[in-house]
Amino acid sequence: ETGVTQTPRHLVMGMTNKKSLKCEQHLGHNAMYWYKQSAKKPLELMFVYSLEERVENNSVPSRFSPECPNSSHLFLHLHTLQPEDSALYLCASSQEEAVNTEAFFGQGTRLTVV
Amino acid sequence: GENVEQHPSTLSVQEGDSAVIKCTYSDSASNYFPWYKQELGKGPQLIIDIRSNVGEKKDQRIAVTLNKTAKHFSLHITETQPEDSAVYFCAVQYSGAGSYQLTFGKGTKLSVIP
Repeated sequence: ETGVTQTPRHLVMGMTNKKSLKCEQHLGHNAMYWYKQSAKKPLELMFVYSLEERVENNSVPSRFSPECPNSSHLFLHLHTLQPEDSALYLCASSQEEAVNTEAFFGQGTRLTVV
Repeated sequence: GENVEQHPSTLSVQEGDSAVIKCTYSDSASNYFPWYKQELGKGPQLIIDIRSNVGEKKDQRIAVTLNKTAKHFSLHITETQPEDSAVYFCAVQYSGAGSYQLTFGKGTKLSVIP
């Protein structure tokens, strides 16, 4: 148990569906992240929230919409996805300070778009 | 942006032997180098990290070495055990103001053969 919980663990959705991924951290961290992990590709950073404000958006398509209502919760809203969006979506959190600190990952949501 | 190369992509060793995974990076301003282990069905977990003011760090059977001049760092696992089988990722972070991004290598799938 890393202190970062993601739900659901598995999700199958059609291309016209709307769904949301949820992440919750119990570590008191002030930064949260969404990563995409596809087969044979590096982990790709999608979004970063620090102190509940989005600080990075790495050219992610608008069909992915993040939301960070407070420092403990992070959502990824999905709509009109494509089959190539099928991947493992990982949430992470860390404490942003002057010195680099460890990122703690959740177990991920395995997303399949059909 | 930062570019991280990780080799090899797969590695098989006999139980008890050593395993070495190498990463190179491009941005000389990077100064934080963590290694993550990802077991099947789980998110990545930090196993060891090193900062640019240190050349080597050891924690029981795992060690990391850093050569900032050559811009490469390596993970060493000695006396490998079957439970070491997993995918290992190196990562690099630039510790500039407002920087949050970890750039990951593509991963190395380590198989320890009993």
